[in-house]
Amino acid sequence: QVQLVQSGAEVKKPGASVKVSCKASGYTFTSYYMHWVRQAPGQGLEWMGIINPSGGSTSYAQKFQGRVTMTRDTSTSTVYMELSSLRSEDTAVYYCARGGSSSSATPEYFQHWGQGTLVTVSS
Amino acid sequence: SYELTQPPSVSVSPGQTARITCSGDALPKQYAYWYQQKPGQAPVLVIYKDSERPSGIPERFSGSSSGTTVTLTISGVQAEDEADYYCQSADSSGTYRSVVFGGGTKLTVL
Repeated sequence: QVQLVQSGAEVKKPGASVKVSCKASGYTFTSYYMHWVRQAPGQGLEWMGIINPSGGSTSYAQKFQGRVTMTRDTSTSTVYMELSSLRSEDTAVYYCARGGSSSSATPEYFQHWGQGTLVTVSS
Repeated sequence: SYELTQPPSVSVSPGQTARITCSGDALPKQYAYWYQQKPGQAPVLVIYKDSERPSGIPERFSGSSSGTTVTLTISGVQAEDEADYYCQSADSSGTYRSVVFGGGTKLTVL
């Protein structure tokens, strides 16, 4: 069965960076896009960006461009999301979510999610 | 930027029918998807491609589309259906394969 297992909670100071991991199993890692979605406390879901695990290409929401970097390690079937220049407004639960097939023009939606990683930014 | 609009809250009594709407200009051309999220949990997909139900999702969950509005209908609402519900669609005005979520609707079972 498809599983996405994320790294544990983090506490960071303003201005620092955080790197969250998401290890995939139960399917061919390079066959599906991976997305990152975050949710601030008491708020809704916010899409951050997408990575193609096959070639490593990425696309980020305009809001996060210049601050977010998504990478992958095919040897361990793991994707990473690094967010820099953290501020208090970045306090949120960060989710990875498996998207559509990377080899066809299937729509992007999320049947499989990681358990979420709480990132707290506080001085 | 492209937006999907949902009502902040919907309330129904057990056994009644709940309808949650989601409006967006591109919805006639793009599929919509619905997620259920309970406190402290990751979202769960309950409807895909406007009206398809994933395996394991109860039949009381259904979806429909009309023009710029899509609707999630929960028939015979049960207490366990109390949750936040989010619609999602493609953001064709955004970056490559980007998506957009609605603001979410809190379903309260009275």
